[in-house]
Amino acid sequence: DQQVKQNSPSLSVQEGRISILNCDYTNSMFDYFLWYKKYPAEGPTFLISISSIKDKNEDGRFTVFLNKSAKHLSLHIVPSQPGDSAVYFCAASEDYGGSQGNLIFGKGTKLSVKP
Amino acid sequence: GAGVSQSPSNKVTEKGKDVELRCDPISGHTALYWYRQRLGQGLEFLIYFQGNSAPDKSGLPSDRFSAERTGESVSTLTIQRTQQEDSAVYLCASGTYLSNYGYTFGSGTRLTVV
Repeated sequence: DQQVKQNSPSLSVQEGRISILNCDYTNSMFDYFLWYKKYPAEGPTFLISISSIKDKNEDGRFTVFLNKSAKHLSLHIVPSQPGDSAVYFCAASEDYGGSQGNLIFGKGTKLSVKP
Repeated sequence: GAGVSQSPSNKVTEKGKDVELRCDPISGHTALYWYRQRLGQGLEFLIYFQGNSAPDKSGLPSDRFSAERTGESVSTLTIQRTQQEDSAVYLCASGTYLSNYGYTFGSGTRLTVV
């Protein structure tokens, strides 16, 4: 039973346009959410996070939106660049601010940004 | 080194053999996680070490899996009597208590059981 779901296995976007990656979760106890990016043959790298007390967090071209009532979050990349092509993982935790628990990951969405 | 180092990067083993995977975390990182990613799946939590606390082993899939960590240094993940379903990329990550899960992952060990 997946607690974190990324229903789109892949997404293709033109360079310069917006990329929107979606993530849904089922566990209402989750209070911290993260996005990781993964290139082939490399480990995932932390991208951006958001706690449940916020509905938006922005870092440069990356913005994460959280809709708690819908148990949905999304990652927006504007403008998209070819170097953003990677697999993006959504992750969630019940333990904001600490390292006391484990992260639950989605299956990932492969983003392809075409020049 | 500056990052999390895992060895070997690739391992092919025969079904039934034991394997040992190694993770060298970033110096000073008290937290260490093992995850695995099977083909087409997300990252699956296996085990978590935090300082000198008892490890959280709740993600280990069977008693064939075990892991150790000496203090806040190297960790080894051992899989006994490997099965084909153990084939996966095994990822190690390290961080600090205040890292808010912005952990640093290693490049992983790709394990293939034939």
